[in-house]
Amino acid sequence: DVKVTQSSRYLVKRTGEKVFLECVQDMDHENMFWYRQDPGLGLRLIYFSYDVKMKEKGDIPEGYSVSREKKERFSLILESASTNQTSMYLCASSLGQASSGNTIYFGEGSWLTVV
Amino acid sequence: TQLLEQSPQFLSIQEGENLTVYCNSSSVFSSLQWYRQEPGEGPVLLVTVVTGGEVKKLKRLTFQFGDARKDSSLHITAAQPGDTGLYLCARGGAGGTSYGKLTFGQGTILTVHP
Repeated sequence: DVKVTQSSRYLVKRTGEKVFLECVQDMDHENMFWYRQDPGLGLRLIYFSYDVKMKEKGDIPEGYSVSREKKERFSLILESASTNQTSMYLCASSLGQASSGNTIYFGEGSWLTVV
Repeated sequence: TQLLEQSPQFLSIQEGENLTVYCNSSSVFSSLQWYRQEPGEGPVLLVTVVTGGEVKKLKRLTFQFGDARKDSSLHITAAQPGDTGLYLCARGGAGGTSYGKLTFGQGTILTVHP
């Protein structure tokens, strides 16, 4: 089975702290994604990566950065956490394009609270 | 960002009832996926539809892709408490450099009462 593992399920951080959310997938997928999920807004794409060291902005990249030094690992970084970044963060990976019928696999999510 | 409108946002029904969830856009989809998400978990893919007019069935779930590829529906027959969850539709990218990224609807929270 494909597994996407997010290192932290629940985090509480203070405003201004630097936050790292780690994600690892074990299926040699090229594409990896970070979404945030908020009630009534669905999932919104923050950043995605289609290869090692490659990244592209999603729909809401402000306040976030990412790192993909190895194919299996995609990290989301909040340089200076703010209360409006309190959310559920979902990592995902896929082998190819959704339009080709390829499946995107999600991790279990990381609940971040910024106080 | 091309929006996906999902309706209704909330649905609370009794076991045994039927229901339909809708997903609409003003623009054409290259593909449309439906996901189900349980509390505390990530979304799990239910189905992908790519051809206009396509109908797919998954046990008591029927998925339809509109002829014009601008809308889709999910119909559940004889709902059970185990169907409770958040249902999300998502459209695929336009190909090329989309690299599989999806745009999601707001989701429908379904609660099926015993």
